[in-house]
Amino acid sequence: NAGVTQTPKFRVLKTGQSMTLLCAQDMNHEYMYWYRQDPGMGLRLIHYSVGEGTTAKGEVPDGYNVSRLKKQNFLLGLESAAPSQTSVYFCASSSGTGRTDTQYFGPGTRLTVL
Amino acid sequence: AQSVAQPEDQVNVAEGNPLTVKCTYSVSGNPYLFWYVQYPNRGLQFLLKYITGDNLVKGSYGFEAEFNKSQTSFHLKKPSALVSDSALYFCAVRDYASGGSYIPTFGRGTSLIVHP
Repeated sequence: NAGVTQTPKFRVLKTGQSMTLLCAQDMNHEYMYWYRQDPGMGLRLIHYSVGEGTTAKGEVPDGYNVSRLKKQNFLLGLESAAPSQTSVYFCASSSGTGRTDTQYFGPGTRLTVL
Repeated sequence: AQSVAQPEDQVNVAEGNPLTVKCTYSVSGNPYLFWYVQYPNRGLQFLLKYITGDNLVKGSYGFEAEFNKSQTSFHLKKPSALVSDSALYFCAVRDYASGGSYIPTFGRGTSLIVHP
């Protein structure tokens, strides 16, 4: 039982390049989330999904797109990377059984945009 | 709307002393409250949560948290700090009220440093 895994762990991009971050969970969770963590800003929600085929915008969605084609995977895409997107990205999942369910987090992806 | 505040960016405590990490919240209904811990270069891990009932909640690694409705607080505590408790701690809230968001709101985090 691997929990929540993220690929890749590190990445360096040049401004304007694109990339996709992959999140996978093996807990059959309905809800999945993408966050970014920046110093002094805490965790900010980018996008989330409440089930396969659904996505919704979070607090800071601009410059990002997501897809949830399979229940176990949640992809975060950067179409044209900018230095402001330098951050640590965390994926999380939760069962979706209600407001009491806890989130399980992946180990993070450290992205640097030059 | 729901919000959570962690008024201290950093808390310093000597090993063996009690520790408190503060959290206050704002919701329109009743809250569900959570504490998570993040060790360096790791993802967040669940520590404990308050749903209903006893105001003192016990969690992992000897941590506990006290829910105080009148003060809208949910402070994290431990009777005797360990150097290994040094980490970043996040408080989160969900609103119980109908129509409230099932997406939790996180505080900005508090860095706990335990000195030997």
